[in-house]
Amino acid sequence: QLQLQESGPGLVKPSETLSLTCTVSGGSISSSSYYWGWIRQPPGKGLEWIGSIYYSGSTYYNPSLKSRVTISVDTSKNQFSLKLSSVTAADTAVYYCARQFRDAGGPTRYWGQGTLVTVSS
Amino acid sequence: DIQMTQSPSSLSASVGDRVTITCQASQDISNYLNWYQQKPGKAPKLLIYDASNLETGVPSRFSGSGSGTDFTFTISSLQPEDIATYYCQQYDNLPQTFGPGTKVDIK
Repeated sequence: QLQLQESGPGLVKPSETLSLTCTVSGGSISSSSYYWGWIRQPPGKGLEWIGSIYYSGSTYYNPSLKSRVTISVDTSKNQFSLKLSSVTAADTAVYYCARQFRDAGGPTRYWGQGTLVTVSS
Repeated sequence: DIQMTQSPSSLSASVGDRVTITCQASQDISNYLNWYQQKPGKAPKLLIYDASNLETGVPSRFSGSGSGTDFTFTISSLQPEDIATYYCQQYDNLPQTFGPGTKVDIK
């Protein structure tokens, strides 16, 4: 059974860079037809796609965040990572990593449990 | 970006009731529309993909229909465990976008 697990600091200071890693177990991150994405949800609000990556390294970002986002993949560790720079309080959210089928926005069957990241000094 | 709207934003229904949620896209998205269920403190769960396909393991009381810009999600007989927020999501064009959600609870 595929499992995804987010890890990283739960508290980030304003203007700094948020860094999260998603470790994939029970399957290979190098599988074709799957994309690996980050989606976030501010407390009490809806879902926002941040971006996705294919195992080859091709990336797809939400234009609203593109200037601040970097997603990378490490196939040797079966992990992919998110970096979001110059964070503000508006970036406080639960961050989910997920596997998307067929497309960078495709059906998302597998999700991590989510990790709350708070931006505060 | 393609904007997704959902109605109603919340509803209260009795156990056994038929519940319908609508989702509208700001432009034609064909059938590139998924439905998710999210319970408090949990990650979303895929219920319906490509507008009308029931995800494996999901009870048959859940269904979806529609294409183009107008879509419908139905729970044929509401159960207590269906209390959750439901989101539609389009992936015809990036960025993929989600509807604002419909919160369903028991009357």
